Amino acid sequence: NAGVTQTPKFRILKIGQSMTLQCAQDMNHNYMYWYRQDPGMGLKLIYYSVGAGITDKGEVPNGYNVSRSTTEDFPLRLELAAPSQTSVYFCASRQDYGYTFGSGTRLTVV
Amino acid sequence: GENVEQHPSTLSVQEGDSAVIKCTYSDSASNYFPWYKQELGKRPQLIIDIRSNVGEKKDQRIAVTLNKTAKHFSLHIPETQPEDSAVYFCAATPYGNNRLAFGKGNQVVVIP
Repeated sequence: NAGVTQTPKFRILKIGQSMTLQCAQDMNHNYMYWYRQDPGMGLKLIYYSVGAGITDKGEVPNGYNVSRSTTEDFPLRLELAAPSQTSVYFCASRQDYGYTFGSGTRLTVV
Repeated sequence: GENVEQHPSTLSVQEGDSAVIKCTYSDSASNYFPWYKQELGKRPQLIIDIRSNVGEKKDQRIAVTLNKTAKHFSLHIPETQPEDSAVYFCAATPYGNNRLAFGKGNQVVVIP
């Protein structure tokens, strides 16, 4: 199993640009999550999904959108990127209890 | 919702000494308490977890204790080594809840 795979690993965006952060898991987990981690800070939940076709907002959803058309994939869309969205983004999945995290996407908005 | 707090925010210890990180939670319905370790530039990784039906759990060198009455749980790292230097996150979740509530993290620095 590859676990949770995130792409790209790094990205620089200009203000106002859009992009999609990809997340895929091959463990057939129902639950998937997107977190952001600002420098020296903890994990803040952006969006999560309890299964294909079902998504819900977390603590900091503004400026982001998600979709969950399949069990495997949970992409995060940034529209109109802003400097405040400079962060490291982690995707995670779980089935019962413990989370498995992806390796993260480091995004810089300039 | 659940609120998880970690103390202290930064902990410096001499190599070989023990480190203890404490977390408190607010929701008495929480019954699952994992700890994640995040090394610099890496992803958080689950290192140990405990469920509410036990008071203590050991996994190799580390241990976690849970006090449900006081609503706190602690990570114990005895005989610290340089590779224990990392940020440690605690979390809690009630049964049936869809997501974990994370603490803000503790920076542990092991001084050689």
